[in-house]
Amino acid sequence: QQQVKQSPQSLIVQKGGIPIINCAYENTAFDYFPWYQQFPGKGPALLIAIRPDVSEKKEGRFTISFNKSAKQFSLHIMDSQPGDSATYFCAASITGNQFYFGTGTSLTVIP
Amino acid sequence: NAGVTQTPKFQVLKTGQSMTLQCAQDMNHEYMSWYRQDPGMGLRLIHYSVGAGITDQGEVPNGYNVSRSTTEDFPLRLLSAAPSQTSVYFCASKRDSNYGYTFGSGTRLTVV
Repeated sequence: QQQVKQSPQSLIVQKGGIPIINCAYENTAFDYFPWYQQFPGKGPALLIAIRPDVSEKKEGRFTISFNKSAKQFSLHIMDSQPGDSATYFCAASITGNQFYFGTGTSLTVIP
Repeated sequence: NAGVTQTPKFQVLKTGQSMTLQCAQDMNHEYMSWYRQDPGMGLRLIHYSVGAGITDQGEVPNGYNVSRSTTEDFPLRLLSAAPSQTSVYFCASKRDSNYGYTFGSGTRLTVV
């Protein structure tokens, strides 16, 4: 049973576009929602994270939107660049112990 | 500052063999975890630890053992390797419950 459902599985955008990756969860006890970026052959790297008491968080070109009532959160990448081509994972945790990951989204940014 | 170091990077095992995947961190992090990554399934938690001497099971613990005798090290033992354990294994650490994990570069394990 997948605790965090992520979509789409893959995404192709033109340079400068705004890819959006969505995640949904059921467990209302989740209190920490990070996004990770992974390049081929590397481990995932923490990109940005949010807690359910805020609806949006921005760090550089990356924005998390959080909808607590819908139990959904999404990652937006502004002015996307070819260097952003990677696999992105959302995750959720309860009290920072066990992290549950989505199945990943492979993003390709075309020059 | 090396971060999270995993060894080996690649390993091929025969069915039934045992081995230990090593993980060490030099950031004095209390929390450490082991994940496996399989195509289309994301990362799944195997075991985790919230401090030296404390370990607990994650989503997929069967066939794996861990121990945490020091803050720095968190080895993962495969007791009797099976083809279903073919995967990429990631070790991760974090300071405490308020932070996200820092991941190592992974160990690619193939069981034949």
